[in-house]
Amino acid sequence: DAGVTQSPTHLIKTRGQQVTLRCSPKSGHDTVSWYQQALGQGPQFIFQYYEEEERQRGNFPDRFSGHQFPNYSSELNVNALLLGDSALYLCASSLRNGVETQYFGPGTRLLVL
Amino acid sequence: GNSVTQMEGPVTLSEEAFLTINCTYTATGYPSLFWYVQYPGEGLQLLLKATKADDKGSNKGFEATYRKETTSFHLEKGSVQVSDSAVYFCALAQIQGAQKLVFGQGTRLTINP
Repeated sequence: DAGVTQSPTHLIKTRGQQVTLRCSPKSGHDTVSWYQQALGQGPQFIFQYYEEEERQRGNFPDRFSGHQFPNYSSELNVNALLLGDSALYLCASSLRNGVETQYFGPGTRLLVL
Repeated sequence: GNSVTQMEGPVTLSEEAFLTINCTYTATGYPSLFWYVQYPGEGLQLLLKATKADDKGSNKGFEATYRKETTSFHLEKGSVQVSDSAVYFCALAQIQGAQKLVFGQGTRLTINP
């Protein structure tokens, strides 16, 4: 049973560029959440997708957007990158019943120069 | 709003020592509580969880009890091993609606042989 997978594992971009990160949920899961983890900090919730719609959003600007596909996989897009966007981006999948544990992928480490 | 506070690290112990990592929370209603562990270069792994007051979560020798009266969920282990060296995150989630996780800042644990 495959767990949550993310790609790429590492990425280097320059300020002002745009980036797309990808996530495939654990088999059988229908909900994907994205988190940003700055160095030395706990993860911060970005948003959650279910049934191809954004269901809840954290305190992140509109430069952060996402998408969920019919197969439940998801993308996180960040436009106009800032140095402060450098972080580990974690994807977590779960079932929509509200009590299921979230399972995390290994993350994508983004460095903005 | 909801928040989680963990004891400040880093924590350094000798092998076979007793471990306590303190975690307190602020939340409305009755959240679920979690401990996640992050090994170097990896994503988050669920260590244990508790979904209601007085529940005890346990896994791999680690335990934590959901204490509503003190709004705490302290992590304990009777005899730590070198392989327990990692960063530990306490988190909460409200069950209603999208299960957004709110994390503490993390506690880095190093076990010396």
